[in-house]
Amino acid sequence: GAVVSQHPSRVICKSGTSVKIECRSLDFQATTMFWYRQFPKQSLMLMATSNEGSKATYEQGVEKDKFLINHASLTLSTLTVTSAHPEDSSFYICSAKIRETQYFGPGTRLLVL
Amino acid sequence: LAKTTQPISMDSYEGQEVNITCSHNNIATNDYITWYQQFPSQGPRFIIQGYKTKVTNEVASLFIPADRKSSTLSLPRVSLSDTAVYYCLVGGFFSASKIIFGSGTRLSIRP
Repeated sequence: GAVVSQHPSRVICKSGTSVKIECRSLDFQATTMFWYRQFPKQSLMLMATSNEGSKATYEQGVEKDKFLINHASLTLSTLTVTSAHPEDSSFYICSAKIRETQYFGPGTRLLVL
Repeated sequence: LAKTTQPISMDSYEGQEVNITCSHNNIATNDYITWYQQFPSQGPRFIIQGYKTKVTNEVASLFIPADRKSSTLSLPRVSLSDTAVYYCLVGGFFSASKIIFGSGTRLSIRP
């Protein structure tokens, strides 16, 4: 199946700093990518839909100024957690879609101290 | 968006066949049914996808009745490494069609 990568795989940062997570589709072009967040023992929660060349669409309750999404090319979307706080600590997962199938990245573990 | 309902958890033993059923009563005409497997601290991994009837690949089978309001993932002869959370997702062809995750089924395989 298609390959989606994420970088970094895990990151630890201090409260108040910003963290950028990259999501790449390695062997296909994706006009649409998705960002999810997952807390322990819970399901994935959709945060936003990232559209190449246009603004992201955020789900209700997700702060667009806190979670900045940039989809500058057909193979790269970035999620920046601005002014991170301990409650932002979570597992962030991106996905990219080919026709009717979504392929997921390996996830990024964020720990905010 | 089609909502999915699955059992929260299931237990089985090595070598058994496991069937996990998912309900999606308001599935749309354009929607496909896709099953994913997720291990702790990993992203979901694609298992199988179908639109109607039966689909089989090297790891699983997917059974979809004519009304498409439910689907069953069948895992033949499971092993301990099949212990994971399994998600049934319903989504459409169009690129911007987003997929919402349900609770998933936590499958535990015992020796």
